[in-house]
Amino acid sequence: GENVEQHPSTLSVQEGDSAVIKCTYSDSASNYFPWYKQELGKGPQLIIDIRSNVGEKKDQRIAVTLNKTAKHFSLHITETQPEDSAVYFCAAGEGGSGGYNKLIFGAGTRLAVHP
Amino acid sequence: GAGVSQSPRYKVAKRGQDVALRCDPISGHVSLFWYQQALGQGPEFLTYFQNEAQLDKSGLPSDRFFAERPEGSVSTLKIQRTQQEDSAVYLCASSSGFDNEQFFGPGTRLTVL
Repeated sequence: GENVEQHPSTLSVQEGDSAVIKCTYSDSASNYFPWYKQELGKGPQLIIDIRSNVGEKKDQRIAVTLNKTAKHFSLHITETQPEDSAVYFCAAGEGGSGGYNKLIFGAGTRLAVHP
Repeated sequence: GAGVSQSPRYKVAKRGQDVALRCDPISGHVSLFWYQQALGQGPEFLTYFQNEAQLDKSGLPSDRFFAERPEGSVSTLKIQRTQQEDSAVYLCASSSGFDNEQFFGPGTRLTVL
């Protein structure tokens, strides 16, 4: 089955700096790669996702890149703000024909943005 | 509109007790997922429903875990004879179709003493 590894486990940056989180996956059949932000006591919230037919996607300060050959994808947050502080999870979609039916998550990255 | 809701938000059980966790998905969402999140870890898939059909239960850790969605909307995750290793946050997610974004609820934190 699919296995997702995520690095780093913790990341500390100064406000305004960029943050990069990297993930690798094992199953070349995975075709959907979402990123979730989880704040304390809350459920994960989707912040951006990318599908296997696209190499890069951007939404304001957040961007995701995907390298299918190397089986890795990355989250880039620019101009970080204290409210970006949270745990971030990458995931890979694994499932039956025509789509996915479950997400395999990485272990998470705790991001701290210091004012 | 209302998101995914889960109840109770917190549950404390003594070892050996049975528990039932409820998930109310977003109205009209056909797909429903249960995940287990241990402290400091990412969510792990437990089971998946498409309407009332349980299409994948490969992640359920043992036969003490049982999930149902009899009318294709509300779902219940039941854990029988709880053990300390069952302590975790149980997350429910729903989506509008087979290949769409999953919206997560706030989770139920289960503590087994």
